[in-house]
Amino acid sequence: EPEVTQTPSHQVTQMGQEVILRCVPISNHLYFYWYRQILGQKVEFLVSFYNNEISEKSEIFDDQFSVERPDGSNFTLKIRSTKLEDSAMYFCASQETDGTGELFFGEGSRLTVL
Amino acid sequence: AQRVTQPEKLLSVFKGAPVELKCNYSYSGSPELFWYVQYSRQRLQLLLRHISRESIKGFTADLNKGETSFHLKKPFAQEEDSAMYYCALFPVEYGNKLVFGAGTILRVKS
Repeated sequence: EPEVTQTPSHQVTQMGQEVILRCVPISNHLYFYWYRQILGQKVEFLVSFYNNEISEKSEIFDDQFSVERPDGSNFTLKIRSTKLEDSAMYFCASQETDGTGELFFGEGSRLTVL
Repeated sequence: AQRVTQPEKLLSVFKGAPVELKCNYSYSGSPELFWYVQYSRQRLQLLLRHISRESIKGFTADLNKGETSFHLKKPFAQEEDSAMYYCALFPVEYGNKLVFGAGTILRVKS
């Protein structure tokens, strides 16, 4: 069964460093998402992406964040200058169609900012 | 604004006991509601959605628009049901994203 894959599973970085989290969505899916979960808190929406552009983003997704689909398979989340409060589990998800189509999640990338 | 509330952080029951995980939502449109489950060390996965009205692994959930609730129920809990359960809302008229509740840990004791 096809799955969403994410790399790395865990990344430790110093404050101020750039981080890129990678996701390979399910191949025939058209909608892509990033969510994050700070330890002990709820899963929060960051951004949705469709047709090579951001379709919606949350207040969390400020200028430090960017997303790209550089090659038609990978979907990346970049944090330009990490802050301590960026430490979280980041989940990628993909969806075949919009609306009520099921979101398929990756296993997450844990980011620790020191 | 869309909001999903799961009032219980932890629900602990004995094997064979009934389970009800509470979920209330706030949304002005017609909601699309889901339950996602995360077993230990596994990814988030869809458990069920209200539009399909199906029962998965013995779980059911009924949308009650009057009470703005979508509680998840199972008549007889099993140890393998132990997991984190998230209620989620898809605000169809206002964007294309799932809004999650805080989640409830279900622990089924033997």
